[in-house]
Amino acid sequence: KQEVTQIPAALSVPEGENLVLNCSFTDSAIYNLQWFRQDPGKGLTSLLLIQSSQREQTSGRLNASLDKSSGRSTLYIAASQPGDSATYLCAVKGRTEEAGANSKLTFGKGITLSVRP
Amino acid sequence: KAGVTQTPRYLIKTRGQQVTLSCSPISGHRSVSWYQQTPGQGLQFLFEYFSETQRNKGNFPGRFSGRQFSNSRSEMNVSTLELGDSALYLCASSLASGTYEQYFGPGTRLTVT
Repeated sequence: KQEVTQIPAALSVPEGENLVLNCSFTDSAIYNLQWFRQDPGKGLTSLLLIQSSQREQTSGRLNASLDKSSGRSTLYIAASQPGDSATYLCAVKGRTEEAGANSKLTFGKGITLSVRP
Repeated sequence: KAGVTQTPRYLIKTRGQQVTLSCSPISGHRSVSWYQQTPGQGLQFLFEYFSETQRNKGNFPGRFSGRQFSNSRSEMNVSTLELGDSALYLCASSLASGTYEQYFGPGTRLTVT
């Protein structure tokens, strides 16, 4: 059974700092990994999607990497801003589901980031 | 292009009642998945529908059910509500079932009293 872990649960940094959020998963047989952002009481906003054949994806100040063999992904945020304060979740889509390829995502519990002005 | 919409956004129900939540996917998307989010358990997969067929189901009791219509809109139903069903219910859509990127709606906040 796939398990996704995100540590620490919360992080507080001063504005301008570059930071790395970590995600680990137990089963390396995945189709892809997706990073999301969630603001309090809101839905999820997709940040980056990395297919299993890719090593990294970039969007603006965000860069996500994937190391399938070690079961790890990192989300790098450059020059953090107070507006980056939110909960960041990673989710994996596994290859070993009974029904074959489907859309089930297994989520970590998320990292709540606070960027202090 | 309009995003995923969910109705209602907030709902308060009493134990024992039933509730129906609705999700309209992004135009052209044919797969709809449902998730439950609680502070203790995080985000948990409920089920996925593609072309009006349930593709996969999470580990939830039979009180949780869903369906998908020919226009890809989906509904989920929870019967005999329990206090523990209080949660944010999120719907996600993707082009098809499989490795496609998923886009989430704003969620329906269900409170059971």
